[in-house]
Amino acid sequence: KQEVTQIPAALSVPEGENLVLNCSFTDSAIYNLQWFRQDPGKGLTSLLLIQSSQREQTSGRLNASLDKSSGRSTLYIAASQPGDSATYLCAVLSGSRLTFGEGTQLTVNP
Amino acid sequence: EAGVAQSPRYKIIEKRQSVAFWCNPISGHATLYWYQQILGQGPKLLIQFQNNGVVDDSQLPKDRFSAERLKGVDSTLKIQPAKLEDSAVYLCASSFRTGAPLDEQFFGPGTRLTVL
Repeated sequence: KQEVTQIPAALSVPEGENLVLNCSFTDSAIYNLQWFRQDPGKGLTSLLLIQSSQREQTSGRLNASLDKSSGRSTLYIAASQPGDSATYLCAVLSGSRLTFGEGTQLTVNP
Repeated sequence: EAGVAQSPRYKIIEKRQSVAFWCNPISGHATLYWYQQILGQGPKLLIQFQNNGVVDDSQLPKDRFSAERLKGVDSTLKIQPAKLEDSAVYLCASSFRTGAPLDEQFFGPGTRLTVL
């Protein structure tokens, strides 16, 4: 059974800092890994999707890496802004099921 | 392109009452998912449809939860009777195909259920 863990559970940083969110998964037989953003009271917005054959994906100030053999992924956010405040969820697709971590709640202080 | 639509957005009921949620996926998406997200946790898959057939309902509490997707488009999720622990956000998602690793799931805004 796939299990996904995210560390830290919560993070508070001053504006402008670079930061790293961590995700680990127990079964390396995955198709892909996604990072989502969730704002309070809202649904999930997909940020980055990394296929199992890829090592990283970049979108603007976001960079996600994947090390499938060790079961780890990181989401790097450069030059954080208050608008980045949200919960960030990692999810892995194995079989036909998407398994989520519990998320990292990020607060970026002005 | 219109996104995944869900209604209602919020629902408050008493325990032992019944409730139903509705989802309209993105046009042309064959696969539809219902997730339950309890406060402070990640979403958990309840049921997955491919067109109007069930692909995975292994985590659906079938004694009280039911779901259908008639005509392979809209779907409803029902809880009868509701328990306090059913308080959660119910998310609907859709994707173009099942089992295709390149296919992203697109999520609706969710229905927040409070059971008193």
